Amino acid sequence: AQSVAQPEDQVNVAEGNPLTVKCTYSVSGNPYLFWYVQYPNRGLQFLLKYITGDNLVKGSYGFEAEFNKSQTSFHLKKPSALVSDSALYFCAVRDYSGGYQKVTFGTGTKLQVIP
Amino acid sequence: GAGVSQSPRYKVAKRGQDVALRCDPISGHVSLFWYQQALGQGPEFLTYFQNEAQLDKSGLPSDRFFAERPEGSVSTLKIQRTQQEDSAVYLCASSFPGFYEQYFGPGTRLTVT
Repeated sequence: AQSVAQPEDQVNVAEGNPLTVKCTYSVSGNPYLFWYVQYPNRGLQFLLKYITGDNLVKGSYGFEAEFNKSQTSFHLKKPSALVSDSALYFCAVRDYSGGYQKVTFGTGTKLQVIP
Repeated sequence: GAGVSQSPRYKVAKRGQDVALRCDPISGHVSLFWYQQALGQGPEFLTYFQNEAQLDKSGLPSDRFFAERPEGSVSTLKIQRTQQEDSAVYLCASSFPGFYEQYFGPGTRLTVT
């Protein structure tokens, strides 16, 4: 069975500082990893994904994530946080062993950027 | 717009009532997913369609939950004899098949009283 862990319920960071939101995963086959963001009263929006290739993936709004196979991690990062980045962030994994289509989401991390 | 739409956005049902939640995916998206999101939690997978075929319904919590996508486009999630524990936001997402990202609708917030 596949799973995703987001160990921090909330991350606080000062505006202008770098931010990291942590994610670790467990799958039996090759992982396809995603980050989504959810603003209040809105649906989830895609930020970035790792399928294969370069371990550093760049996405929307200046976000990037680093895939680390040995540590089974896919942490979300941004060099300089903005107040508007404050939202709920979800990591998700899609396991393609045997063509399985299920996507498993983490429990989410609330990012609070302090002005 | 060209995004995923869901209706109704809010639904209040009395315990025991049947409800139907609608999802209009992005045109051309073969894959369609339903999720249940409880307050403060991540989306929990319910079921997956590829075109009109329901390929995975392992996440449906009971036989009171039923989903269909008869023409491979619009999908309906039906909940029979609603219970209080069914109160949640129900999210629909669509995508191309394979490792493509999903596009989510705004969700339907179901409250069972």
